[in-house]
Parts: sequence; structure tokens; C-alpha cells
Amino acid sequence: DADVTQTPRNRITKTGKRIMLECSQTKGHDRMYWYRQDPGLGLRLIYYSFDVKDINKGEISDGYSVSRQAQAKFSLSLESAIPNQTALYFCATSDAHITEQYFGPGTRLTVT
Amino acid sequence: AQSVTQPDIHITVSEGASLELRCNYSYGATPYLFWYVQSPGQGLQLLLKYFSGDTLVQGIKGFEAEFKRSQSSFNLRKPSVHWSDAAEYFCAVGGGGSYIPTFGRGTSLIVHP
Repeated sequence: DADVTQTPRNRITKTGKRIMLECSQTKGHDRMYWYRQDPGLGLRLIYYSFDVKDINKGEISDGYSVSRQAQAKFSLSLESAIPNQTALYFCATSDAHITEQYFGPGTRLTVT
Repeated sequence: AQSVTQPDIHITVSEGASLELRCNYSYGATPYLFWYVQSPGQGLQLLLKYFSGDTLVQGIKGFEAEFKRSQSSFNLRKPSVHWSDAAEYFCAVGGGGSYIPTFGRGTSLIVHP
């Protein structure tokens, strides 16, 4: 089984709808991250969490919110989706002492 | 602020040829450096990392990278490319207390048979 899983893998939604992307990990890591990937822009950090009670905004948090329900679960919500939020979304985890990140397979979100 | 530049958006090589992907970084202290690969439809996978010590680091899939402090570079190399190496490659820099890497925009590798 994959260490970092994301659901759904693909989602098409309409402008104005609320949507939640979920991430679960079995690596036992404290740190979790949400990124979005757009062609030519690389990965941009949306939110990150160093533990259940510590949540921080990344460089592009506007229009997004997160919830860290447990050490293993980190959800990303779009309260009112807009077309320019169409992108590939990745969840990642890392250990506090080992700084490389482990990525999920991604969620492709399309907002029409 | 830390930053990463990958000057090449696309690189095309023939199968069996050597490969070098460029990465330049900006960081105020000794950086932690990473190369990740993203195969089509998949998440990112770590190829190799540099934290300290030997400036030439070996990674998975036959890749290596060399840290050159004087040039602020961490270029990725492979002596002979295979068709399965076609993917997107990301360089990242991070370090210090926050341990949040900054990613470059990526280089897309195209391999011709």
C-alpha cells in the first residue's frame, strides 16, 4: 500500500462549489504539506502543518483552508471553487529530522 | 529568501546520450538540496539529496549530482539516458529550522529513441 494517499484522484466541479481534498499517510510523520502544481510554475506551497496543533499558510493560501484531523490526516478545502484553481494538487509528508518529502500521487482538480 | 532556478524548461536527448540538468540556488547558509523526479501521472519521488560532506552524491536510477558552493549549483547528471527517464525533474533547496523546501519550476526531459 502507498505511504501517502490522496482522494479523490480526479475531480471535476463547478464554480462556487465547496470541495475537499483528503490526504492520509502511514509513514508516522508529523509534518504534512499541500502544494499545487501548474504547468511552468513548479510546485507552490498552499499550507503546511508541523503537527496537529500547528498549521501555517504557504505562499498561495488565499481561497484555501485546511484541517489537520489527526497526525495521519490533512485535508484541503476550497470554500468556493473558481476556474483558476484548476490544477494538480499534491500532499506531502516529512519527518522533522529527515527533510526530504514523500509525495502522494496527486489530485487533478478541474473547476468549470 | 531562498530560491531555485532551473534554467531549462525542456531538454531533449537521445537514448544512450549523457544528461545534465542545471539547478542554481540562492540560500543564506549551507543548503539542503534535493532532486525529485515526477513520472507522468505520478507524484514526486526523491532521486537524491545533499546535506553535507562529499559534494558528489549518488542517487537512485543511476543519477548523480554535484554540489558546487562557488557556483551555487547542484546539477543532476546521468551518463546514459534510458527512455524510461522521460519525466519532469525538480530541484529543491531548503534547510534551517523550517525545513520547508522551495522548488524550481522543473525541467521536462524528452528522450528520443
